[in-house]
Amino acid sequence: AQSVAQPEDQVNVAEGNPLTVKCTYSVSGNPYLFWYVQYPNRGLQFLLKYITGDNLVKGSYGFEAEFNKSQTSFHLKKPSALVSDSALYFCAVRDMRNTDKLIFGTGTRLQVFP
Amino acid sequence: ETGVTQTPRHLVMGMTNKKSLKCEQHLGHNAMYWYKQSAKKPLELMFVYSLEERVENNSVPSRFSPECPNSSHLFLHLHTLQPEDSALYLCASSQDSVWREKNTQYFGPGTRLTVL
Repeated sequence: AQSVAQPEDQVNVAEGNPLTVKCTYSVSGNPYLFWYVQYPNRGLQFLLKYITGDNLVKGSYGFEAEFNKSQTSFHLKKPSALVSDSALYFCAVRDMRNTDKLIFGTGTRLQVFP
Repeated sequence: ETGVTQTPRHLVMGMTNKKSLKCEQHLGHNAMYWYKQSAKKPLELMFVYSLEERVENNSVPSRFSPECPNSSHLFLHLHTLQPEDSALYLCASSQDSVWREKNTQYFGPGTRLTVL
């Protein structure tokens, strides 16, 4: 079955420190992977995606994610966190049996402290 | 702004009411989606429209009725809802092409629905 797991409900990090939000996936075939961010009272905003090519993908607001096929992971990273990065982050994978369907993880709340 | 707007942003309705949610995309996309976001649950895909035709109905109760009159507009008609239907309803759009699996979905801000 196709699935996405975000093992941490919440990640806390001090401003200026590096951050990592974890995501692992299970799909048949090649995965297409996405990260979205949701700020309070807002919809989801697209951050970045991996389709093919370079395993390190750069996205909006200084975020990047590394695709690791052997570990079936797609962790989101940022070298230096900002308080304004505090939000809910969702990892998603394209369901290759149904290319219209994105399968989302349950989300990870990132809290950046001053 | 993502180019996808939703109205109203907040809606409170009784179980016997009939209301509609509206979504409009200004991105020239040809596929639109309705999602339901409930607390502590993954986003649930409800409906998919591609080229104004419904291509997916993800086992959604009939009290939710979608309508896609053209590629820029999507509605979700609500009637006789239950309190457990209270959630954030998100609309998204994407450009459907040969490489559909590569398409990125762009989301609206959502409608916060409360059913009393």
